[in-house]
Amino acid sequence: NAGVTQTPKFQVLKTGQSMTLQCAQDMNHEYMSWYRQDPGMGLRLIHYSVGAGITDQGEVPNGYNVSRSTTEDFPLRLLSAAPSQTSVYFCASSLQTSGTDTQYFGPGTRLTVL
Amino acid sequence: GENVEQHPSTLSVQEGDSAVIKCTYSDSASNYFPWYKQELGKRPQLIIDIRSNVGEKKDQRIAVTLNKTAKHFSLHITETQPEDSAVYFCAASRGSWGKLQFGAGTQVVVTP
Repeated sequence: NAGVTQTPKFQVLKTGQSMTLQCAQDMNHEYMSWYRQDPGMGLRLIHYSVGAGITDQGEVPNGYNVSRSTTEDFPLRLLSAAPSQTSVYFCASSLQTSGTDTQYFGPGTRLTVL
Repeated sequence: GENVEQHPSTLSVQEGDSAVIKCTYSDSASNYFPWYKQELGKRPQLIIDIRSNVGEKKDQRIAVTLNKTAKHFSLHITETQPEDSAVYFCAASRGSWGKLQFGAGTQVVVTP
């Protein structure tokens, strides 16, 4: 199994540009999520999904959209990039939706918005 | 919502000594408390977790304790080694839709 994969690893955008961060998992996990990691602030939940066709907002959803058309894929879309969205983005998945089992993280995408 | 505070933000220990990181949480309904380790430039990885029906859990040199009354839990690393140098995150969940609330992290540096 490849586990959780993310592309790209690095990305530089200009303010106002849009882009999609890709996330895929091959473990047949029901739960998938996106976090952003900023210095001194830990990992903050952006959006999450408990199954195909079901998504919901996390702690910091503004400026981001998600969709879950398949169990495997959970892309994160930045609609109009802003410098405040400069961060490291991690996708994670877990087998159950209960919130009480291991979350497996992808390798991360480092995004810089100029 | 849940709020998790983690202390200290940085911790420097001599190789062989013990390290303790403490977290407090606000939601009394939280029942799952994992700890993640993140090495520089890498992804967070689960190292140990504890559930609300257990007071202590050990796995070789690491242990986690939970005090539900006081709403705090701690990570203990004994006989620290250079490879223990990393950022450690605590988290808490009430089991609803997989949402984890993370602490801000502790940078642990183990010096030889």
